[in-house]
Amino acid sequence: GEDVEQSLFLSVREGDSSVINCTYTDSSSTYLYWYKQEPGAGLQLLTYIFSNMDMKQDQRLTVLLNKKDKHLSLRIADTQTGDSAIYFCAEKPGSSASKIIFGSGTRLSIRP
Amino acid sequence: DGGITQSPKYLFRKEGQNVTLSCEQNLNHDAMYWYRQDPGQGLRLIYYSQIVNDFQKGDIAEGYSVSREKKESFPLTVTSAQKNPTAFYLCASSELLGRLLEGELFFGEGSRLTVL
Repeated sequence: GEDVEQSLFLSVREGDSSVINCTYTDSSSTYLYWYKQEPGAGLQLLTYIFSNMDMKQDQRLTVLLNKKDKHLSLRIADTQTGDSAIYFCAEKPGSSASKIIFGSGTRLSIRP
Repeated sequence: DGGITQSPKYLFRKEGQNVTLSCEQNLNHDAMYWYRQDPGQGLRLIYYSQIVNDFQKGDIAEGYSVSREKKESFPLTVTSAQKNPTAFYLCASSELLGRLLEGELFFGEGSRLTVL
């Protein structure tokens, strides 16, 4: 089946690194994504990783993929107040090329 | 500017009434989607459409209906048969996911529906 799971909340101190974790069930997923949702708004794609990659880095963002354990993580270095948002993990299942499955979202809050 | 426009942003409905949420895109995307967002449950797919005059049910289609008469428009009707319609509704569009490797969805700003 297709399922994506995340913890609901994460709180970090400003300047520290944030690590948001996600597990998925479809081993044939081709792409995995991280989307960001700011309050009262739609989602925006932050980054994505192809299933044959282990890691992808883009400025302050690092995505790690452990395909054996079906585990995806997003690390945000030097977390800032502007990073406060809900972060959604999502997958493009291999079994269904026409839709994307989202997790429940992790709400990241920043402490001063 | 290209993008997706949802309206209205806020909507109140009495029980037993149907309401229609508008979604328009000028990105020339073939595929459009409706998701429902509830706290702690993330996004759940209601309906999606890959081509004009065709659409498919998502995971929670009961109590909803859609139409796709034009490429740029994909309105969602929340009917009185939907038992718990209060939620945040998000419309999205993309190139056809089967053709586009990366599969990026572009989202509207959302419509918040409250049933009184």
